[in-house]
Order: sequence, then structure tokens, then C-alpha cells
Amino acid sequence: GEDVEQSLFLSVREGDSSVINCTYTDSSSTYLYWYKQEPGAGLQLLTYIFSNMDMKQDQRLTVLLNKKDKHLSLRIADTQTGDSAIYFCAEGGSSNTGKLIFGQGTTLQVKP
Amino acid sequence: DVKVTQSSRYLVKRTGEKVFLECVQDMDHENMFWYRQDPGLGLRLIYFSYDVKMKEKGDIPEGYSVSREKKERFSLILESASTNQTSMYLCASSLWPSEMREQYFGPGTRLTVT
Repeated sequence: GEDVEQSLFLSVREGDSSVINCTYTDSSSTYLYWYKQEPGAGLQLLTYIFSNMDMKQDQRLTVLLNKKDKHLSLRIADTQTGDSAIYFCAEGGSSNTGKLIFGQGTTLQVKP
Repeated sequence: DVKVTQSSRYLVKRTGEKVFLECVQDMDHENMFWYRQDPGLGLRLIYFSYDVKMKEKGDIPEGYSVSREKKERFSLILESASTNQTSMYLCASSLWPSEMREQYFGPGTRLTVT
């Protein structure tokens, strides 16, 4: 079945780069997404990448997509304590209903 | 700005009680979703609605039902709450049809069943 996998935890020092990785099984998604969940809040779309792109850069965020390996990554440059949150990878799968399939979420801890 | 509101941030209920979680969105979105979030398991879809009075089971519908009488409101019902339904419940909405499947989330309801 359709599945999205992420590691559960990442700890970095403030100022370092963070890389959060994700693998997925369904290659029919038009877009792949990264959502961010800050403490005590719901999820919010952070960034996304169109499936025919390899890379997308948005200020401190870089998304890399390797379609052959079905691997998606999110790099946060110059990580700040305000980046501490749970990051979810998501893809649309094969359904035609607007549903998303989310990974387990990676908790990013940024140490000062 | 899209706003998705949930009726309670925290709720404590007893085993066997009937529990209603309400969700309202203000952007005229066709799609609405109920998820539960548990540590290490991520978001799991309970139910999904693509139109008024229309619903579809998600991955874990057992023990839950839903109601969508109006486009802006989607209710999740726990018919007889059990301790294994203690969790964070998140509601979301999205425009459909749309190539971009951006979902807008409410702040969540943390439900404790004792």
C-alpha cells in the first residue's frame, strides 16, 4: 500500500544545517509536501515541490527530490531555536480525492 | 486567511460517554478531514468528507462516526469513548478540485478518556 516513512527525531545545534529525510512508495503524486507543526498548534504547509523538479529553494529551505529512489529531503540552513517543531512529509498518493498520506513526523530539536 | 476552528482544545471524558468534536472552516472548502495524531504514528486519517452529507472511511474508522450537515462544519463522534481513543484529534479542510492538495489544519483537540 501507499506509505511515507521518516525518522522520528533529529537534534542539531543552533546555526547548523538540519536535514530531514523521507521516503515514499507512490510515485504518482503531482506534488510532495513538507508540513510544520509547532508546539500546541495544528500543521501548516511549509513548502512543496512539483514532482518533475529535482530541487526547490525558498530562503533557508531547500527541498531535494530523487524520484528514482523515491526520496525527499528538507534542508534548513542556519537552523534557529524557532525551527524546533515536528516536520511531516506528505504525498498525494494515487487517490483522486484530495487526501494526503503523511509520514510519522520528525521532531527537530535545536540546541542553543 | 483560512481559518479552521475546533470546539475544544482540551477535553476529558469518561469511558462509555458519547463524545462530539466539532470543526468549522470559513473558506467554503469542499473537503474536510479528521485525523488522530499519536507519537511515533504520525497522522492517521479517521474520516474524510468531500461534500455535504458525503463521507468516506479513512484508515482507522472503527469506533468513530462523522456528520456533515453543512458545508462549513464537520463533526467527529465517538459513540462510546474508550481509553484507547485518548489522543490528539486534528481537523483539516482543503479546496477541491485542486492540483495543490494544501490542507489547512485546526489547532487540535487533546482528548483524554479516563
